[in-house]
Amino acid sequence: EPEVTQTPSHQVTQMGQEVILRCVPISNHLYFYWYRQILGQKVEFLVSFYNNEISEKSEIFDDQFSVERPDGSNFTLKIRSTKLEDSAMYFCASSEARRTGYTFGSGTRLTVV
Amino acid sequence: QQQVKQSPQSLIVQKGGISIINCAYENTAFDYFPWYQQFPGKGPALLIAIRPDVSEKKEGRFTISFNKSAKQFSLHIMDSQPGDSATYFCAAGVQGAQKLVFGQGTRLTINP
Repeated sequence: EPEVTQTPSHQVTQMGQEVILRCVPISNHLYFYWYRQILGQKVEFLVSFYNNEISEKSEIFDDQFSVERPDGSNFTLKIRSTKLEDSAMYFCASSEARRTGYTFGSGTRLTVV
Repeated sequence: QQQVKQSPQSLIVQKGGISIINCAYENTAFDYFPWYQQFPGKGPALLIAIRPDVSEKKEGRFTISFNKSAKQFSLHIMDSQPGDSATYFCAAGVQGAQKLVFGQGTRLTINP
């Protein structure tokens, strides 16, 4: 069964450093998403990406965040200057159709120290 | 109100019993209601989904019941098994938007 692959599985970074979280969505999917889950809390939407541009973003997704699909297969989330409160599990997801049939990756646990 | 309220936070059910998780919403623009299952260390996986023109949808042991007038929907797991032990999230999608709004999650434990 096709999978969404995320790397790394765990990243520890110093506060103020830049991090890039990587995702390889399912190849025939057209919609790409990043969500995050702070430990023990609900899954929160960050951003959706379609047709090589951001189609929707939440209030969490401020100027510190950016997304890119640099080569037609990878989908990245960059956090420019990490804060302690950015510590969370970050999930990439993709879908064939808008908002339905999401497949989530296994996530990247980001720890900011 | 872009919120989905989920209850209970945790649930313990005996093997073979029925597990019931409830969700409620306010926003009448929601028109897509999926349920996700998440095992530790994994991403959420789509379990079953319903649209508001249907009051019930069944897939194997999993059933969604949907009450449009009450703005509530629930997941029923029949003949619950230890392998069903996981965290379950309800979610809702707004027509015309791409994001999903998730509930707080329910940690389900099925005792053997």
